[in-house]
Amino acid sequence: DAGVIQSPRHEVTEMGQEVTLRCKPISGHDYLFWYRQTMMRGLELLIYFNNNVPIDDSGMPEDRFSAKMPNASFSTLKIQPSEPRDSAVYFCASSRRGLEAFFGQGTRLTVV
Amino acid sequence: QQQVKQSPQSLIVQKGGISIINCAYENTAFDYFPWYQQFPGKGPALLIAIRPDVSEKKEGRFTISFNKSAKQFSLHIMDSQPGDSATYFCAASASLISSGSARQLTFGSGTQLTVLP
Repeated sequence: DAGVIQSPRHEVTEMGQEVTLRCKPISGHDYLFWYRQTMMRGLELLIYFNNNVPIDDSGMPEDRFSAKMPNASFSTLKIQPSEPRDSAVYFCASSRRGLEAFFGQGTRLTVV
Repeated sequence: QQQVKQSPQSLIVQKGGISIINCAYENTAFDYFPWYQQFPGKGPALLIAIRPDVSEKKEGRFTISFNKSAKQFSLHIMDSQPGDSATYFCAASASLISSGSARQLTFGSGTQLTVLP
């Protein structure tokens, strides 16, 4: 298996623009997690899905953030409108039965 | 109660030395304690994990020590090598039954380990 695949690897956008991050989980995994990593706050769980259903989105910082999982092999995290304080590395991770989580390479987002 | 506290924030060790990173938790429902290793530009990767029914787990040069009564667990890296230089995260999660919902990992703040050649 190729592991968790995220795209793009790097994204630079202007404040106010819409940003969409993409994730393909490992086939057969039933949990998908979106994390944000910053120097100040470390690894923060934003939202997670079980069998494509959002279970807990309490970590989503604001209404500007939204996530979808239309099927078992694809998820998106959207920020609209983006702000400079959203600059971070965003990770997608997947797991089977919620145990060992496999992380993607991450998307480094810079909002200028 | 969901927090996992990790120390030290950074650690410098000579090659061949022992690296020790500590974590403490409050939530007694936690029953799975993994450690993740992250290299620059990469995502965290599972290194080793332990359940509270054992006090120690060893995999190669990496050992987790677990103290259930003290609610503490630690990672020991024996014979530390420059290639071990990375950021290490402890984490914890609770079972479906005790948490009332799906498992989610709560991460510590991370320890940046530097092993000098």
